[in-house]
Amino acid sequence: AQKITQTQPGMFVQEKEAVTLDCTYDTSDQSYGLFWYKQPSSGEMIFLIYQGSYDEQNATEGRYSLNFQKARKSANLVISASQLGDSAMYFCAMRDRGSNYKLTFGKGTLLTVNP
Amino acid sequence: GAVVSQHPSRVICKSGTSVKIECRSLDFQATTMFWYRQFPKQSLMLMATSNEGSKATYEQGVEKDKFLINHASLTLSTLTVTSAHPEDSSFYICSARRDANSNQPQHFGDGTRLSIL
Repeated sequence: AQKITQTQPGMFVQEKEAVTLDCTYDTSDQSYGLFWYKQPSSGEMIFLIYQGSYDEQNATEGRYSLNFQKARKSANLVISASQLGDSAMYFCAMRDRGSNYKLTFGKGTLLTVNP
Repeated sequence: GAVVSQHPSRVICKSGTSVKIECRSLDFQATTMFWYRQFPKQSLMLMATSNEGSKATYEQGVEKDKFLINHASLTLSTLTVTSAHPEDSSFYICSARRDANSNQPQHFGDGTRLSIL
């Protein structure tokens, strides 16, 4: 079974609007970490935001926020006020004891921001 | 600024050549670094975990004799693709994390595009 599931291969959003990228995860550990990374076409992996399993509040970093619903095992990324430069691949990842604390990535979502 | 540096960013070479890729943590010591491979339009696939001062741990299906990893210092890990062939052409990217704390993100290098002719 996949540990990280991103069900949206591609998403489109209009500039200045908000967009939600879905991520669900599967783990039996109580302690785990959830990460989102952005990968532009140039290839580098840019860390965006982190959510710990014990964090009670949703993580926020500027225009990025993480909608963490622990009971549903979902960790959706919300990008507000989309910009053209947000067009990229977005990967959700998890680190838990079951994976020896190695990052497990989802398949990614390609976000295209339209002007 | 970048905290992990990867070099070279692009390599084009003939079949049979061995290619070395370097991954450096710039402002922290990394006892553990990771090497990933990424095919076009796919996710990152972990190849191996590089441990300073000890042997690398390879993921299932990754040939350790093909992909040699050396982590000789706390700031440098190298991946050598030995006798590379066209099927080894891919995007290789390394990462490092500052410590084992689970809330610390892995920082990635900019990746290396390897093309074997």
